[in-house]
Amino acid sequence: QKEVEQNSGPLSVPEGAIASLNCTYSDRGSQSFFWYRQYSGKSPELIMFIYSNGDKEDGRFTAQLNKASQYVSLLIRDSQPSDSATYLCAVNPPNQGAQKLVFGQGTRLTINP
Amino acid sequence: EAGVTQSPTHLIKTRGQQATLRCSPISGHTSVYWYQQALGLGLQFLLWYDEGEERNRGNFPPRFSGRQFPNYSSELNVNALELEDSALYLCASSRSRTGNTDTQYFGPGTRLTVL
Repeated sequence: QKEVEQNSGPLSVPEGAIASLNCTYSDRGSQSFFWYRQYSGKSPELIMFIYSNGDKEDGRFTAQLNKASQYVSLLIRDSQPSDSATYLCAVNPPNQGAQKLVFGQGTRLTINP
Repeated sequence: EAGVTQSPTHLIKTRGQQATLRCSPISGHTSVYWYQQALGLGLQFLLWYDEGEERNRGNFPPRFSGRQFPNYSSELNVNALELEDSALYLCASSRSRTGNTDTQYFGPGTRLTVL
């Protein structure tokens, strides 16, 4: 089982709709969770981080964390064509040294005008 | 505030040669991380440096090495290059290694091509 799993997609969503991206992780003790966006040929840029169970909202983005079920999700409301990118979920597993991030393979999101 | 910078942007080497990649962190950041992003393999953690010391290492052979300088900039060296080392090498920086995992900010990357 991979440490961090994401559906590779592609996920196609019409413009204006809600895009839902999911990520599961294997190590129950993981404490820190990050979502990065990566445009083709570019480096990842941080969208959000979340440490506590529940929802965290930032503009059109909402991160949701459920540690009991070991999943973290990212919702993008009012999706725009500029949101088309690969979304990377990253987790800091315990006992591997603070600051080591394990990334999922990424979900490719396409917003259709 | 300037972001993480990396040089060179592109690097072409032949098999068996050595490659040196450089990274300058965001001002005030003391931790530097190196990741490899090969096609179809996702981002793989390579190395973490903080305060001049190697703090953690991913599952890569010893021919991947690096160092961090007193000004917190860092260098990644890849010896005896192999074709499968062709990838985008990303550097990230964060404030420190204390407490919760600190947010890592990525540089633009160095595209290494091994022929």
